[in-house]
Amino acid sequence: DTGVSQNPRHKITKRGQNVTFRCDPISEHNRLYWYRQTLGQGPEFLTYFQNEAQLEKSRLLSDRFSAERPKGSFSTLEIQRTEQGDSAMYLCASSFPVSETQYFGPGTRLLVL
Amino acid sequence: SQKIEQNSEALNIQEGKTATLTCNYTNYSPAYLQWYRQDPGRGPVFLLLIRENEKEKRKERLKVTFDTTLKQSLFHITASQPADSATYLCALDGGGGADGLTFGKGTHLIIQP
Repeated sequence: DTGVSQNPRHKITKRGQNVTFRCDPISEHNRLYWYRQTLGQGPEFLTYFQNEAQLEKSRLLSDRFSAERPKGSFSTLEIQRTEQGDSAMYLCASSFPVSETQYFGPGTRLLVL
Repeated sequence: SQKIEQNSEALNIQEGKTATLTCNYTNYSPAYLQWYRQDPGRGPVFLLLIRENEKEKRKERLKVTFDTTLKQSLFHITASQPADSATYLCALDGGGGADGLTFGKGTHLIIQP
């Protein structure tokens, strides 16, 4: 399967713990996006990479959130000192350089207790 | 701020009929609009993209219209099938140079046999 993959698929953590999610985009795609989705809502844009450069960050991305894409391939999203309000589905998407179409992964569902 | 409105209530359609979903937006002039399908527990899947200078786009049983004067897009599924049951998301380009998509809340479509 050459689609976007995300790991883990599910994560349960206690409030105050740090968590890290990984996204492996489609290999030919140089653009990578992170979104957050809560129940009954559409995905909300968090941040965007073109190759290894992080070019856009939403106001939703608080100081506790950090994303990296060190070699322009896979990306990680870390949440420090998790809060119950961080509970959501975290989606990763990728796209070709000149395409508006985004291909989404299955998401990582985070539950903060 | 830009706002996207989709009928977040479930839409029940009898199998074989045409389902029509609405996406309205305000405070924005998007260069394009996209429709995605999302099944429970999965990431969104791209269906169609329509640009601001296009009135209509078709793909198999799907049709999208885009009225930039009314600031509205209509998404039609003809000859609907139970397998079409899902949540359908409308998404606009971020605007202002941002490449993240802005999504509506989605419409939950139920096709009844």
